[in-house]
Amino acid sequence: EDQVTQSPEALRLQEGESSSLNCSYTVSGLRGLFWYRQDPGKGPEFLFTLYSAGEEKEKERLKATLTKKESFLHITAPKPEDSATYLCAVHLSGGYQKVTFGTGTKLQVIP
Amino acid sequence: NAGVTQTPKFQVLKTGQSMTLQCAQDMNHEYMSWYRQDPGMGLRLIHYSVGAGITDQGEVPNGYNVSRSTTEDFPLRLLSAAPSQTSVYFCATSTGGSNQPQHFGDGTRLSIL
Repeated sequence: EDQVTQSPEALRLQEGESSSLNCSYTVSGLRGLFWYRQDPGKGPEFLFTLYSAGEEKEKERLKATLTKKESFLHITAPKPEDSATYLCAVHLSGGYQKVTFGTGTKLQVIP
Repeated sequence: NAGVTQTPKFQVLKTGQSMTLQCAQDMNHEYMSWYRQDPGMGLRLIHYSVGAGITDQGEVPNGYNVSRSTTEDFPLRLLSAAPSQTSVYFCATSTGGSNQPQHFGDGTRLSIL
């Protein structure tokens, strides 16, 4: 069975304290791994797509990396406005509907 | 551009009532999906459409119906609401293909009493 596990469930950081969020997966036929940000009361907002092991993407204080079994979302010197829930999702071969979401990591950045 | 618009934002129903959740997009995306989000669980696919006139079931389709008569609209119908359908519902669109990101609306928060 295809599984996506995100850790930790929740993370509390001081402003400026860098850390990483993890998304591990056991799937067959990975077509892409996606990171989304979700603010309270809002829908997920797309951040990154990673397609192959070794690939990296960056956006402001965020950097996403991918290996054959997991992806990391590194947050460098976070600010309070980075507080949100971060979701990862894997898209699999076999059709548009073949997507599995993780349960997310809730990040709180304290001033 | 509005992107993906969902209405209503909040709704309370009684068990057995029916209702339609609306989703409209102005991005001309062919692919549209409905998800539900429950505490402690990842987003789960209810139904999806790869174009006008074409719909199919996702992971948790029971109790829901969809139709897609236009590219822009993809309504989700609850036939006879049950407390287990209390959830937050999200509509998403995509240009297509399993390697393209999805664009989500802000959700409908539905409570079934």
